Amino acid sequence: NAGVTQTPKFQVLKTGQSMTLQCAQDMNHEYMSWYRQDPGMGLRLIHYSVGAGITDQGEVPNGYNVSRSTTEDFPLRLLSAAPSQTSVYFCASISPWGDGYTFGSGTRLTVV
Amino acid sequence: GENVEQHPSTLSVQEGDSAVIKCTYSDSASNYFPWYKQELGKGPQLIIDIRSNVGEKKDQRIAVTLNKTAKHFSLHITETQPEDSAVYFCAASKTSNTDKLIFGTGTRLQVFP
Repeated sequence: NAGVTQTPKFQVLKTGQSMTLQCAQDMNHEYMSWYRQDPGMGLRLIHYSVGAGITDQGEVPNGYNVSRSTTEDFPLRLLSAAPSQTSVYFCASISPWGDGYTFGSGTRLTVV
Repeated sequence: GENVEQHPSTLSVQEGDSAVIKCTYSDSASNYFPWYKQELGKGPQLIIDIRSNVGEKKDQRIAVTLNKTAKHFSLHITETQPEDSAVYFCAASKTSNTDKLIFGTGTRLQVFP
């Protein structure tokens, strides 16, 4: 089925560890974004990309890196995890035909 | 930048009653206002959206209204059912496909049978 695939679904990290959250879409959308979801704060934009090779910062970019080497993949990297990065992370792919965002099922990350 | 406020944070209704969730936005250049429903353990899903050239839009039991002058928009759910229980998010952006989408803080709706 067409959509957005996120891996892993759950992850526990120790403070200072690094990891990459994977996101892939098969809808050939140019625009993709990463959000984090925290209780009482809704979804906050971390980074976004308007196409391969182009990325930009959202509302809360500190501590995260992204790259977009292909249209399909948009990984999110945590270089040195901190407890403040404990959250649920959602990747989204945006239809160019005005059909809205398609979200992945999320990655629940805990940093201890 | 854009700021979206959403109220209430929680809403409990009896099955069959109506539910209303309200949002305000700050950027008068915003033209696209979607609503997302998030069920437990899943990502948000688009349920309805409205663009600034329209004042109201309906889709079966759900409707959205927009007041651009006052910069607020609302989601109305009629004849609520237990399966409507979820977290609902409003959002705003300048366009539907090329601009950053800014979300409200969410409303947890509980529908009691």
